[in-house]
Amino acid sequence: AQSVTQLDSQVPVFEEAPVELRCNYSSSVSVYLFWYVQYPNQGLQLLLKYLSGSTLVKGINGFEAEFNKSQTSFHLRKPSVHISDTAEYFCAVSQRGTGNQFYFGTGTSLTVIP
Amino acid sequence: SQTIHQWPATLVQPVGSPLSLECTVEGTSNPNLYWYRQAAGRGLQLLFYSIGIDQISSEVPQNLSASRPQDRQFILSSKKLLLSDSGFYLCAWSVGLAESDTQYFGPGTRLTVL
Repeated sequence: AQSVTQLDSQVPVFEEAPVELRCNYSSSVSVYLFWYVQYPNQGLQLLLKYLSGSTLVKGINGFEAEFNKSQTSFHLRKPSVHISDTAEYFCAVSQRGTGNQFYFGTGTSLTVIP
Repeated sequence: SQTIHQWPATLVQPVGSPLSLECTVEGTSNPNLYWYRQAAGRGLQLLFYSIGIDQISSEVPQNLSASRPQDRQFILSSKKLLLSDSGFYLCAWSVGLAESDTQYFGPGTRLTVL
């Protein structure tokens, strides 16, 4: 079974600073990768996804992520964060041959400090 | 456009009481539907998924059950709640069952069992 590791449970960062949220997955079998954001007491909103093609994926709100097959990683980045980016971020992986089963990481809480 | 609704938004129930959470999807036909639970400080755990009316698959054995009486309605139930049932319950839908199909999440229900 697939496992997804988000290495940092909490990431504090100052406003306008860059940020990287890390995500690693276990299986080297063909995968599809997703990042979701969850604002307090809300559902999950899709930020971006990697299905195929270019390994650099751009999403909403200025976020981007890079798929690195050799390192089985899909780290999320933003060059300059805003207060409104304070939220929980989840990495999710689906694996070819398992249907639409998503494996989620435990989440990273991003806090943007004014 | 498609929208997904969940209610109630919050619920406080005593141990041993029954539970019924409802999820409905608008703007699409024959969606695949999912119930997830998010416990405090943990990631998302898939509880049930459904590919059609009365077709439910359980991922985790527990005292919860799910039903799909109509195409776009998904219900999560319990006859007797446990303290460990507390958490944030999220409903999601997808167009297909392919690994690349995005799952879209509802706003969630916060359940507290006392």
